[in-house]
Amino acid sequence: NAGVTQTPKFQVLKTGQSMTLQCAQDMNHNSMYWYRQDPGMGLRLIYYSASEGTTDKGEVPNGYNVSRLNKREFSLRLESAAPSQTSVYFCASTRAPLGVQADKNIQYFGAGTRLSVL
Amino acid sequence: KQEVTQIPAALSVPEGENLVLNCSFTDSAIYNLQWFRQDPGKGLTSLLLIQSSQREQTSGRLNASLDKSSGRSTLYIAASQPGDSATYLCAVNSGNTGKLIFGQGTTLQVKP
Repeated sequence: NAGVTQTPKFQVLKTGQSMTLQCAQDMNHNSMYWYRQDPGMGLRLIYYSASEGTTDKGEVPNGYNVSRLNKREFSLRLESAAPSQTSVYFCASTRAPLGVQADKNIQYFGAGTRLSVL
Repeated sequence: KQEVTQIPAALSVPEGENLVLNCSFTDSAIYNLQWFRQDPGKGLTSLLLIQSSQREQTSGRLNASLDKSSGRSTLYIAASQPGDSATYLCAVNSGNTGKLIFGQGTTLQVKP
């Protein structure tokens, strides 16, 4: 049981290049999220998928697209990378966003992808 | 718009001391509040989750409290150890989709 797995762990891009960050969870969770973490800004939500087949914008969606490929996988794509997208990206998942049982609401995070755009 | 603030930004204490980390939020209409730990260069690990109907949760040496009316939560760490050194983040779930609003974290250093 690996939890939430993100690939790659590190990436360096040139301005204008594109790439896809991959995320997979093996906990049969329904909801998945993409955050970015920047110094002094904390973690901010980029996109989320409340359930398989649905995606919605978070706080900072500009410059990104997502795909909920199936229940396990949720990818984040940068179509034309910019230096402002240099950040650490985290994927997270939860069995259910809300519920009486608190353990179903806990968000589990991957180890992160450290992205530099030159 | 929900905003989450954590004070102090950094804290250094000697080993064995009991300590309190603070988290405040501007909108009391929350579903739950979670405390996470983040080690340098690593992801986030959930420590405690408090539902809006609860006042506190405990796990080992950790105790988290929630006062919705005043918009505050505290994380109490008893008998701190050097292994507790990390950044502690609180996050509020205000909607029905699990979207979390994070504070900027408190970086804790416990000196041997």
